[in-house]
Amino acid sequence: GENVEQHPSTLSVQEGDSAVIKCTYSDSASNYFPWYKQELGKGPQLIIDIRSNVGEKKDQRIAVTLNKTAKHFSLHITETQPEDSAVYFCAASSTISWGKLQFGAGTQVVVTP
Amino acid sequence: EAGVVQSPRYKIIEKKQPVAFWCNPISGHNTLYWYLQNLGQGPELLIRYENEEAVDDSQLPKDRFSAERLKGVDSTLKIQPAELGDSAVYLCASSLAGEYNEQFFGPGTRLTVL
Repeated sequence: GENVEQHPSTLSVQEGDSAVIKCTYSDSASNYFPWYKQELGKGPQLIIDIRSNVGEKKDQRIAVTLNKTAKHFSLHITETQPEDSAVYFCAASSTISWGKLQFGAGTQVVVTP
Repeated sequence: EAGVVQSPRYKIIEKKQPVAFWCNPISGHNTLYWYLQNLGQGPELLIRYENEEAVDDSQLPKDRFSAERLKGVDSTLKIQPAELGDSAVYLCASSLAGEYNEQFFGPGTRLTVL
């Protein structure tokens, strides 16, 4: 089955700096890669996603890149703000097992003013 | 519009006792998911429903876990009997049917087994 590894496990950044989280996946059939943000006491919330036919996607301060050859994808947050502090999860799924998201272990992001 | 509703939010029980979690998905979402989230880990899918049918329950420990989704709306996840290792957050999510549709998560039920 699919295995998703996520790094780093914790990330501390100064407000205004950029944050980068990286994930690798094992199943070459995976074609959908969402990123979720989870705040304390809440469920994960989708912040951006990318499909395998696209190499990069951007939404305001958030961007995701995908390298299918290397089987890795990354989340980039620019101009970080204190409200960006949360746990971020990457995930992957394939057409055969759509809906079955395989999540990474998460990255705790702390943005210090 | 209301999001995914789960109850209870917290549950503390002793081992070997039964426990049940309830989920009300977003109106119109015919796909419903139950996930298990251990501390410091990402969610792990337990079961996925399309309407009333469980289409993927390969990760559900069927010796003690059961789930149902009567009438294709609300769903209940049950553990009987609970073990110490079942302590975790149980998340419910829902989505429209289809490969790339966003899964909306509820706040979860935090279970503590003593």
